[in-house]
Amino acid sequence: QKEVEQNSGPLSVPEGAIASLNCTYSDRGSQSFFWYRQYSGKSPELIMFIYSNGDKEDGRFTAQLNKASQYVSLLIRDSQPSDSATYLCAVKNYNQGGKLIFGQGTELSVKP
Amino acid sequence: EAGVAQSPRYKIIEKRQSVAFWCNPISGHATLYWYQQILGQGPKLLIQFQNNGVVDDSQLPKDRFSAERLKGVDSTLKIQPAKLEDSAVYLCASSPGTRMGEQYFGPGTRLTVT
Repeated sequence: QKEVEQNSGPLSVPEGAIASLNCTYSDRGSQSFFWYRQYSGKSPELIMFIYSNGDKEDGRFTAQLNKASQYVSLLIRDSQPSDSATYLCAVKNYNQGGKLIFGQGTELSVKP
Repeated sequence: EAGVAQSPRYKIIEKRQSVAFWCNPISGHATLYWYQQILGQGPKLLIQFQNNGVVDDSQLPKDRFSAERLKGVDSTLKIQPAKLEDSAVYLCASSPGTRMGEQYFGPGTRLTVT
């Protein structure tokens, strides 16, 4: 079992729709959860982080965390073609030194 | 605020040659990370420094990879000798050092080993 799992995609949504990206993790001791966006040929860019169960909203982005189910998701409302990228989920257990464990990423394609 | 700086951006070498990458973290960030990202995969941590001490190097292939962070600021990652499977993007990241702190990535160095 991978430590952090994501569907590799590609996930294709029409412009204006809601894109839903999902991630599960195996370490129950994980405390911090991050979503990074990575455009092709570029480095990962932090877009959201969440520490507590529930929802966290930032503009068109909402991160959702359910520690009991070991599940974290990212919703992108009103998807735009510029949102087309690979989205990386990462988790951190600071009792393990604080390193980020990344999933393989989900490729999102937003069609005009 | 200036971001994480890395150089070179691209490097092509032959197998068995050596190569070095340089990273300058965000000013004031105590923690520095080196990741390897192979095409189609998420980044994998190679080594983590807290100031100039190593926190985690459990996934660093120590027979060929080495890293140092002198004076707790800049860092270099070296590969000697390189293998074909080392072809990847090498990413440097830094964070303020708080336990929950997020990490910020540099532009990366794309290494091709032929």
